[in-house]
Amino acid sequence: GQNIDQPTEMTATEGAIVQINCTYQTSGFNGLFWYQQHAGEAPTFLSYNVLDGLEEKGRFSSFLSRSKGYSYLLLKELQMKDSASYLCAVSHASGGSYIPTFGRGTSLIVHP
Amino acid sequence: DGGITQSPKYLFRKEGQNVTLSCEQNLNHDAMYWYRQDPGQGLRLIYYSQIVNDFQKGDIAEGYSVSREKKESFPLTVTSAQKNPTAFYLCASSIGENPARETQYFGPGTRLLVL
Repeated sequence: GQNIDQPTEMTATEGAIVQINCTYQTSGFNGLFWYQQHAGEAPTFLSYNVLDGLEEKGRFSSFLSRSKGYSYLLLKELQMKDSASYLCAVSHASGGSYIPTFGRGTSLIVHP
Repeated sequence: DGGITQSPKYLFRKEGQNVTLSCEQNLNHDAMYWYRQDPGQGLRLIYYSQIVNDFQKGDIAEGYSVSREKKESFPLTVTSAQKNPTAFYLCASSIGENPARETQYFGPGTRLLVL
């Protein structure tokens, strides 16, 4: 089994930096994804980490520590359009198929 | 343009009725997935298929059924046995060579409401 934990909601100011944390407990870890989902829409891929360290993609960065079961998504220079839900998903061994399991998501509200 | 389509966008079901949600992809992906999303619950896996004519139960398969007769199509039937079907249903696909490490591409979703 596994447990994925993210904060339910966060607020931040336009132009600021925000860090969204994700902790997990799982067997057979095989990578961690971050997706962005605007209200009523489909999730879209942001990042994938399988090795420890920081992956940077423009304004978004994702960090992974496998020994601590911890990841974070860092959003810089926040824009109003970044208001969305951010989903952490962990790939794990389940009956031989490594299908990612999603956390409950963190709703980010960016205000002026 | 390649992508995933789901239809309908909204679907209403009467008590005791089976309904089928459509999912089609033209990305030439082998793997396809069905998720259910409830408020505050994140995405929960219903069924997945890694190849034509084969599919596996996910975490919440009870009350649902699927088929995978064609690579492009993975319809989901919500049966009358599903007692709480009201939710947002998302279909996704990935290349299928190594699902653990692959980006999933999602359709726009179908919102199912019980009358």
